Amino acid sequence: GAVVSQHPSWVICKSGTSVKIECRSLDFQATTMFWYRQFPKQSLMLMATSNEGSKATYEQGVEKDKFLINHASLTLSTLTVTSAHPEDSSFYICSASILPGRASRSSYEQYFGPGTRLTVT
Amino acid sequence: GENVEQHPSTLSVQEGDSAVIKCTYSDSASNYFPWYKQELGKGPQLIIDIRSNVGEKKDQRIAVTLNKTAKHFSLHITETQPEDSAVYFCAAGIQAGTALIFGKGTTLSVSS
Repeated sequence: GAVVSQHPSWVICKSGTSVKIECRSLDFQATTMFWYRQFPKQSLMLMATSNEGSKATYEQGVEKDKFLINHASLTLSTLTVTSAHPEDSSFYICSASILPGRASRSSYEQYFGPGTRLTVT
Repeated sequence: GENVEQHPSTLSVQEGDSAVIKCTYSDSASNYFPWYKQELGKGPQLIIDIRSNVGEKKDQRIAVTLNKTAKHFSLHITETQPEDSAVYFCAAGIQAGTALIFGKGTTLSVSS
């Protein structure tokens, strides 16, 4: 199947600093990318949806000025956690999808990355 | 908005037994229902999905059923093996490729 990578796989940063997480679709062009966060032993919570070349759509309760999302190309989206605090420590997972109709490789069109573990000290 | 409930939260079975996980959803506009398996420290992996125009789908030891009238869908794993141990999530979306709302997950433990 299609591959989505994330970098870094884990990061430790100090409170008050900013951290950038990259999400790349390696062998397909992703018209839409999604960002989720997952606390330990909990479910994935959708943070935002981003389409290439346009502003991200944030879910209710997600601060867009704190979680900056840039979808500069069809293969790359970045999530920047600004002025990180310990409560931002979480597992951040991206997914990438091809719009129905454009998919040609499999029966589903959303592919998840391996996740990034962020720890803010 | 959509709300997905998943039960049970934990499930322990003996190797070779069957495991069933059930989910309900609230938004009748949802038409796509995937199931994901997540191992510790990794991203979720799709194991099977079903669309609203289908009532049942099977792939080897894994099957999913959908009752759109009752708004519930279930995952069935037969002949479980220790390597099936993981956290399983159900999800719902308008269509494949769109944002998904996840259930809270089921931790499946298969003992040999």
